[in-house]
Amino acid sequence: DAEITQSPRHKITETGRQVTLACHQTWNHNNMFWYRQDLGHGLRLIHYSYGVQDTNKGEVSDGYSVSRSNTEDLPLTLESAASSQTSVYFCASSATTGGTNTEAFFGQGTRLTVV
Amino acid sequence: GQSLEQPSEVTAVEGAIVQINCTYQTSGFYGLSWYQQHDGGAPTFLSYNALDGLEETGRFSSFLSRSDSYGYLLLQELQMKDSASYFCAVGNQAGTALIFGKGTTLSVSS
Repeated sequence: DAEITQSPRHKITETGRQVTLACHQTWNHNNMFWYRQDLGHGLRLIHYSYGVQDTNKGEVSDGYSVSRSNTEDLPLTLESAASSQTSVYFCASSATTGGTNTEAFFGQGTRLTVV
Repeated sequence: GQSLEQPSEVTAVEGAIVQINCTYQTSGFYGLSWYQQHDGGAPTFLSYNALDGLEETGRFSSFLSRSDSYGYLLLQELQMKDSASYFCAVGNQAGTALIFGKGTTLSVSS
């Protein structure tokens, strides 16, 4: 069965370190997204990609970067981790349907703690 | 930009009906989606409305009024397992990246 997986599921890192969260999907979806979820804020869009070599900034992109070298993967990098980036991170993917919303499939999340 | 408003909490008893409202502001409208998320879990898709009216899927229905920039999720015959957070979402300017509301926590008691 097709799926979307995130790794690691939990990570603790120190302030100032570079951290990369992995996201891998086997749906063959063109669209991939990264969200962060914090109490009281819901899900906020960090970065998204519509295909290979395409990346776009979302609502809260400062301090984060992504790259899309193939269809399956969209790694999220925190260039210099800050305590404000302690959060649960969700990766998602969806098929392209000509610009309309389609069902997004979410990974199980990565809980990141920056100390 | 996009913004969505939904109540933060709703409580109900088993067997009851509950309605979760969502109002939105968006520069380009590509439909309203609803997602469910149980504690510790991933959001999962419930429904999508592109046109005005009611869409029914089992115990869950979703309604949209584009002229009022308003929609709701209706949950019938509530069960304990329906206790979760529910998020409404709209597409961003390009229509494919979802922008979510802050979520409504539904607590169902016996």
